[in-house]
Amino acid sequence: GAVVSQHPSWVICKSGTSVKIECRSLDFQATTMFWYRQFPKQSLMLMATSNEGSKATYEQGVEKDKFLINHASLTLSTLTVTSAHPEDSSFYICSARVSEDSPLHFGNGTRLTVT
Amino acid sequence: AQSVTQPDIHITVSEGASLELRCNYSYGATPYLFWYVQSPGQGLQLLLKYFSGDTLVQGIKGFEAEFKRSQSSFNLRKPSVHWSDAAEYFCAVGEPFSGGYNKLIFGAGTRLAVHP
Repeated sequence: GAVVSQHPSWVICKSGTSVKIECRSLDFQATTMFWYRQFPKQSLMLMATSNEGSKATYEQGVEKDKFLINHASLTLSTLTVTSAHPEDSSFYICSARVSEDSPLHFGNGTRLTVT
Repeated sequence: AQSVTQPDIHITVSEGASLELRCNYSYGATPYLFWYVQSPGQGLQLLLKYFSGDTLVQGIKGFEAEFKRSQSSFNLRKPSVHWSDAAEYFCAVGEPFSGGYNKLIFGAGTRLAVHP
């Protein structure tokens, strides 16, 4: 149980375009989802906390207008990278939890390459 | 602000040898503690967690971890490492908040290599 599906697994886009990444909790309802970014051989950096039906809470230094997060239902959160630039190239990982004291369950990540 | 320290960036062990990965945290109260493992290009898999109670917790794949309040540590151990254990290991800490924790902060990770 507690499976999180992330799509796409990898995407290549041109500079200036936008890319949407989906994160779905397949067998549970997730009131809260989290989006992380991971640079090569580095740790996970929390970008934002996404609560169903409300605005996401962004971490300090994360541009909310560039990284649009929507959590329209209890099983789906999306991250849209707007006007992507090569420096946005990274590994993006979403996670979700069943309740406030349960572990995070992670998707398999999305490798974004901006050319 | 709370922080998580994994002092060992890279560890190499021989197959069959024992393993201990270190994790220290900086926080006043006892946080929620987790260990995750990540294979290259993949998401993270939960190995084990500690919220309260018995300070020695058992996880999947033969891993265990011990919470030591006096040392603010939550070290991960395995008595006999298998080649398939080669991966990146992350310690994570959640600040207690309103019956749970609000977010997870990750350590820098320890890359484990296993020699045959």
